[in-house]
Amino acid sequence: SQTIHQWPATLVQPVGSPLSLECTVEGTSNPNLYWYRQAAGRGLQLLFYSVGIGQISSEVPQNLSASRPQDRQFILSSKKLLLSDSGFYLCAWSLTASGTGELFFGEGSRLTVL
Amino acid sequence: GENVEQHPSTLSVQEGDSAVIKCTYSDSASNYFPWYKQELGKGPQLIIDIRSNVGEKKDQRIAVTLNKTAKHFSLHITETQPEDSAVYFCAASKRNTPLVFGKGTRLSVIA
Repeated sequence: SQTIHQWPATLVQPVGSPLSLECTVEGTSNPNLYWYRQAAGRGLQLLFYSVGIGQISSEVPQNLSASRPQDRQFILSSKKLLLSDSGFYLCAWSLTASGTGELFFGEGSRLTVL
Repeated sequence: GENVEQHPSTLSVQEGDSAVIKCTYSDSASNYFPWYKQELGKGPQLIIDIRSNVGEKKDQRIAVTLNKTAKHFSLHITETQPEDSAVYFCAASKRNTPLVFGKGTRLSVIA
């Protein structure tokens, strides 16, 4: 069966510090991978998605970046965190490239920037 | 691009009553409409979905209806139970585009 792992689960970082959140998927190959951010009252905001290794689409301009160094690994990074980067970050995967298929979410990473 | 509006943002119902959450979308080309349930501190999970060739779909106590002409779809939960308390998200997408989510509805079922 397929599983998705996301870490760390919680993170408290000072403003200006770097960030690295990691997500891996097991039990499937060539998944579509996504990073969403959930801020209070703003729902699920798509940040990045990837349909293959090295292929990253950015949905929202910001100081975050994403990379996909391996087929089932997706990393969210920042060189210098802002207060506004605080939130609940969710990694997800799907099988269909068409977008019309189920998304499977990880357990999330709660980031607090102080 | 697609824009999904979801109402209400919060909903409280007595146990056993029904709950209805409504969403509208802007892109007439969207053809996939899932609903996700998010429990506290966890990632969302798919509970039901509907595609544009179907007007209604039911799975036990939950049902979803779709009106493509009006570009809106709704989630209906009957005989609500305390374990139905969660945040519910609607979403919409079309071929080759990621899901766009609504802002969520926090449902509280009062025992």
